[in-house]
Amino acid sequence: SQTIHQWPATLVQPVGSPLSLECTVEGTSNPNLYWYRQAAGRGLQLLFYSVGIGQISSEVPQNLSASRPQDRQFILSSKKLLLSDSGFYLCAWSVPAPGGGKLFFGSGTQLSVL
Amino acid sequence: KQEVTQIPAALSVPEGENLVLNCSFTDSAIYNLQWFRQDPGKGLTSLLLIQSSQREQTSGRLNASLDKSSGRSTLYIAASQPGDSATYLCAAANTGGFKTIFGAGTRLFVKA
Repeated sequence: SQTIHQWPATLVQPVGSPLSLECTVEGTSNPNLYWYRQAAGRGLQLLFYSVGIGQISSEVPQNLSASRPQDRQFILSSKKLLLSDSGFYLCAWSVPAPGGGKLFFGSGTQLSVL
Repeated sequence: KQEVTQIPAALSVPEGENLVLNCSFTDSAIYNLQWFRQDPGKGLTSLLLIQSSQREQTSGRLNASLDKSSGRSTLYIAASQPGDSATYLCAAANTGGFKTIFGAGTRLFVKA
């Protein structure tokens, strides 16, 4: 069966520090991978998605970047965190369409930038 | 640009009541529509997925319908239980299925 791992669960970082969040998927090949951010009490905002190694699409211009160095690994990074980067970050995967599209989420990382 | 809206934002009902959560989307050219459940501080759990060619899906006490022409989906929960208390989010995927846009969710509280 497929599983998705996301870590760390919580993170407190000072403003201006770097960020690296990692997500890995097991039990499937060539998944579509996603990073979402959820602000307190709000819906999810799509940040990045990837349909293959090295292929990254950015949805929102911001202080963050994403990379996919391996088929089932997705990394979210920042060189210098801002206060506005605080939020709940979720990684997800799906089987490529057609016939797929169902999203499976990791357990999330609560990031607090102070 | 796809926009997804959920009404109501919050709902409190007594145990045993049947209830309906509403979701509307602005672009009817969707690939699928999904309903998720989120518990506080947790990730999302997929409840139901309706492909664009389908009208409804059922799982246990849950039934989701899709009307693309009107840009609406509803999630029906039968005989609600306190364990159903959570935030329910709907999400519409674009053609191709790799860009899924979420609503802000409906926060449900079922009183024992």
